[in-house]
Amino acid sequence: AQKVTQAQTEISVVEKEDVTLDCVYETRDTTYYLFWYKQPPSGELVFLIRRNSFDEQNEISGRYSWNFQKSTSSFNFTITASQVVDSAVYFCALSEEDNYGQNFVFGPGTRLSVLP
Amino acid sequence: DTEVTQTPKHLVMGMTNKKSLKCEQHMGHRAMYWYKQKAKKPPELMFVYSYEKLSINESVPSRFSPECPNSSLLNLHLHALQPEDSALYLCASSTDTDTQYFGPGTRLTVL
Repeated sequence: AQKVTQAQTEISVVEKEDVTLDCVYETRDTTYYLFWYKQPPSGELVFLIRRNSFDEQNEISGRYSWNFQKSTSSFNFTITASQVVDSAVYFCALSEEDNYGQNFVFGPGTRLSVLP
Repeated sequence: DTEVTQTPKHLVMGMTNKKSLKCEQHMGHRAMYWYKQKAKKPPELMFVYSYEKLSINESVPSRFSPECPNSSLLNLHLHALQPEDSALYLCASSTDTDTQYFGPGTRLTVL
């Protein structure tokens, strides 16, 4: 069965620090998709990124970057120069091929607090 | 436009009430989902509709009854709920590429 682990339950940093959120996954499929979502206190889950299992290129979007390593089954998320608005719960998620949500599994989440 | 809307934003109901949660998307997505999220936990999948047919029911009690009147709308009918059903209820939709886009949720309190 597929599984997503986010070992960091809570992280606190001071504004402008860099922070990395870890995500480790398990799956038997060769084709799968990995996601990161942000959930601010308002509750809405905001989609950040989707990566398929055949694309190991790292991605950068502004202050956000993602490091996908199949060899270690990890899909880590780094925020550079963190800001107070980055405070939220971040979920890593895994979906296997050709399934409308049947195998869409969330990790337990990491609560990030960015202090001014 | 990646907007999924949900109404109401907040709902307080007694255990004998009947209420409905509504979800709408106009992105042409053919899959829609209901999730339940308790505090400090990840969302848990409840139901999946694919092409307006119920494809997944994750052993949810019958006091929760989903309905998909058309490809843009998804309802969740609530009846005889228990206090432990109090949670954030999230709706999502997706294309066949699996990225799910979520609505803002309905915070439900059962008294």
